[in-house]
Amino acid sequence: GAVVSQHPSWVICKSGTSVKIECRSLDFQATTMFWYRQFPKQSLMLMATSNEGSKATYEQGVEKDKFLINHASLTLSTLTVTSAHPEDSSFYICSARPPSGRGPVAGANVLTFGAGSRLTVL
Amino acid sequence: QKEVEQDPGPLSVPEGAIVSLNCTYSNSAFQYFMWYRQYSRKGPELLMYTYSSGNKEDGRFTAQVDKSSKYISLFIRDSQPSDSATYLCAMETSGSRLTFGEGTQLTVNP
Repeated sequence: GAVVSQHPSWVICKSGTSVKIECRSLDFQATTMFWYRQFPKQSLMLMATSNEGSKATYEQGVEKDKFLINHASLTLSTLTVTSAHPEDSSFYICSARPPSGRGPVAGANVLTFGAGSRLTVL
Repeated sequence: QKEVEQDPGPLSVPEGAIVSLNCTYSNSAFQYFMWYRQYSRKGPELLMYTYSSGNKEDGRFTAQVDKSSKYISLFIRDSQPSDSATYLCAMETSGSRLTFGEGTQLTVNP
């Protein structure tokens, strides 16, 4: 089945530094990928939609300059947390829709998630 | 009012129990209904996918959708400690973003 891979799975950084998280669709092409943020014991919050070859679409309240998204190829989207601060510590999860027939449900393009990246800012 | 309501729990049951998880929603345009399972510090994985009212069974799991009542359920039979996780309901219309419930934290005690 279709796989979405994230790297790193856990990163610790100092306050003020920038951190890059990669999201790859391993066996399918994804013109669109989605980035979510999840705080402990809370649900997933959509941050932005990453579009291959064009600007990302950010959800209301998400700082574009803080969370830089680049979707340079059909299999890779990156999220860069710039000048990270402790309040940016969270679990970041990316997702993509495999084409119908490649995903977990035959005949449907259901959202498939990466394993997530845990960011801890000291 | 949230578009999707889900009791966050936590829910604790003994091994072998039948677990019932539920979500209600307000947007009658939702067409596709999913249940995801999320283990601690992992991404969500799809458990069940339905697009019509009725029941769908997969092993120990049964998903139920009642569009007239805007209510969906997930039943887990013969629950196992390995079922301990957070269960998220999710739904969408065609081409829309996925809307998640808050997630229910389930613990199955041996």
